[in-house]
Amino acid sequence: DAKTTQPNSMESNEEEPVHLPCNHSTISGTDYIHWYRQLPSQGPEYVIHGLTSNVNNRMASLAIAEDRKSSTLILHRATLRDAAVYYCIQRPTGTASKLTFGTGTRLQVTL
Amino acid sequence: DTEVTQTPKHLVMGMTNKKSLKCEQHMGHRAMYWYKQKAKKPPELMFVYSYEKLSINESVPSRFSPECPNSSLLNLHLHALQPEDSALYLCASSQGVGGLDGYTFGSGTRLTVV
Repeated sequence: DAKTTQPNSMESNEEEPVHLPCNHSTISGTDYIHWYRQLPSQGPEYVIHGLTSNVNNRMASLAIAEDRKSSTLILHRATLRDAAVYYCIQRPTGTASKLTFGTGTRLQVTL
Repeated sequence: DTEVTQTPKHLVMGMTNKKSLKCEQHMGHRAMYWYKQKAKKPPELMFVYSYEKLSINESVPSRFSPECPNSSLLNLHLHALQPEDSALYLCASSQGVGGLDGYTFGSGTRLTVV
């Protein structure tokens, strides 16, 4: 299964931007980059995904390197409710593609 | 309706019991999934259903038996489980299985095997 590398943990102050990095050096041309987060005692929540171009939605922005071997999830203004484990996932396309979670980054947000 | 609903939220069962976990979605999603998550670990994929047919079984022991009665429902039948099977069981769905869209996860069933 495709493997991504993320820092184990990161800290941020509330209302500051957060940049969560992810390396996916084995990515192939048709693999999508997905980000999910999991708040305590909840199921994972979809955040954003992309292929090549940078993507924005109401939750976050995804910046994808030109060679696609890394990406960064950007939370523009962190709040206490953003404290969660963030998972970066390299997902193949195809009829039997799987969403395989790595160990993720635990984000702590402090006042 | 944009949710995946899982019942029950908590379940305690003995090693000789038979129980079932239920998952329901009404978003018209055609792919549904079961994941298992142990404490402080990432979710692990167990099964993938595509258009109500089992398409991926991640070498899950036969004491876990999935069933997809229709496009909105996914069950996980449990029989003769072991204490190490205690975990959070998550159900998810997606519009398709092609990697082009996000998954919607339920809040899970927390299972304890005694």
